Amino acid sequence: QKEVEQNSGPLSVPEGAIASLNCTYSDRGSQSFFWYRQYSGKSPELIMFIYSNGDKEDGRFTAQLNKASQYVSLLIRDSQPSDSATYLCAVNVEYGNKLVFGAGTILRVKS
Amino acid sequence: DVKVTQSSRYLVKRTGEKVFLECVQDMDHENMFWYRQDPGLGLRLIYFSYDVKMKEKGDIPEGYSVSREKKERFSLILESASTNQTSMYLCASSRGGRANEKLFFGSGTQLSVL
Repeated sequence: QKEVEQNSGPLSVPEGAIASLNCTYSDRGSQSFFWYRQYSGKSPELIMFIYSNGDKEDGRFTAQLNKASQYVSLLIRDSQPSDSATYLCAVNVEYGNKLVFGAGTILRVKS
Repeated sequence: DVKVTQSSRYLVKRTGEKVFLECVQDMDHENMFWYRQDPGLGLRLIYFSYDVKMKEKGDIPEGYSVSREKKERFSLILESASTNQTSMYLCASSRGGRANEKLFFGSGTQLSVL
């Protein structure tokens, strides 16, 4: 079992819709969870982080964390073509105090 | 804004060559990291450093070494390049403490080993 798993996609949504990206992780001791966005040919950039169970909202983005079920999700409301990118989930694993990245989900927003 | 600069955007080397990838950050960050990114595999940690002259192995250190002689500079060395080291290499930095997970990435070096 991979430490951090994401559906590779592509996930296609129409412009204006809600895009829902999911991530599961295996280390129950993980405390910190991150979403990075990576445009094609570019490097990843941090867009959201969450430490506590529940929801965290920042503009059109909402991160959701459920530690009991070991999943974290990212919702993008009012999706725009400019949101088309690969979204990487990253989890801080308890052992080694390091970030482990998922392989990423490709999101395509169609206008 | 944090700036993480990688010396080369594209690099082509021959099998057996010694390769140096340089990374410099300008925000006085304690932590620096080297990742490689391959399609379908995501980012994998090669080496990281929490302080000058300090280094720790990541998940895939074989065939690589690193050097951190100054706080702002972290170098990745491929002792004898092989074709399976063809990849995108990403350098990242972060502040210390819990903030060490908020990584700032360089623009990457696409290395091709022929």
